Amino acid sequence: DGGITQSPKYLFRKEGQNVTLSCEQNLNHDAMYWYRQDPGQGLRLIYYSQIVNDFQKGDIAEGYSVSREKKESFPLTVTSAQKNPTAFYLCASSIDPAGTQYFGPGTRLTVT
Amino acid sequence: LAKTTQPISMDSYEGQEVNITCSHNNIATNDYITWYQQFPSQGPRFIIQGYKTKVTNEVASLFIPADRKSSTLSLPRVSLSDTAVYYCLVGDRPAGRRALTFGSGTRLQVQP
Repeated sequence: DGGITQSPKYLFRKEGQNVTLSCEQNLNHDAMYWYRQDPGQGLRLIYYSQIVNDFQKGDIAEGYSVSREKKESFPLTVTSAQKNPTAFYLCASSIDPAGTQYFGPGTRLTVT
Repeated sequence: LAKTTQPISMDSYEGQEVNITCSHNNIATNDYITWYQQFPSQGPRFIIQGYKTKVTNEVASLFIPADRKSSTLSLPRVSLSDTAVYYCLVGDRPAGRRALTFGSGTRLQVQP
């Protein structure tokens, strides 16, 4: 099956811990994105990558970090510096930076 | 990126046609209009995209007037499973060079 996978679906962490969210795609897409969604709100862009070994900050990058060492993988680390990390995190990819974005199923992170 | 304005919520009944209008007064010449659908705790799903006049696919139709300052997503004969949040996005060909900017969307509730 082709698509975007995010794991795990639910994640729980204690405050002060870093946590890494996984995003993998086998669509051979160049561009990948991370969004955050809070209850009743739209999506906000955290980071995006147009090509391997390159990534750019989005609108709310503070407290997050990413890497893009492989075309199919774009993991997101939520650091202890992120003040309100509890949210629904969505990964997306597109064939190129101008292409239609396709989303993964999301990871719901709860930090207590 | 052009800002979009949509109704916060709409109600309908099964079998009716639903039209959701989006305003985008500052749309640029190169901008396309894209609609996504999102169910609770899932990633958004691409529905339809257009530049001008009318676009139709197996799911919906998109009507864009000549001045392109608004667009209308038309869902024919909705069912309960169409209950979701619908997002209108406007960006540089076709989904934005940088990434998508999501507003709060329109929450459609379909009643039996």
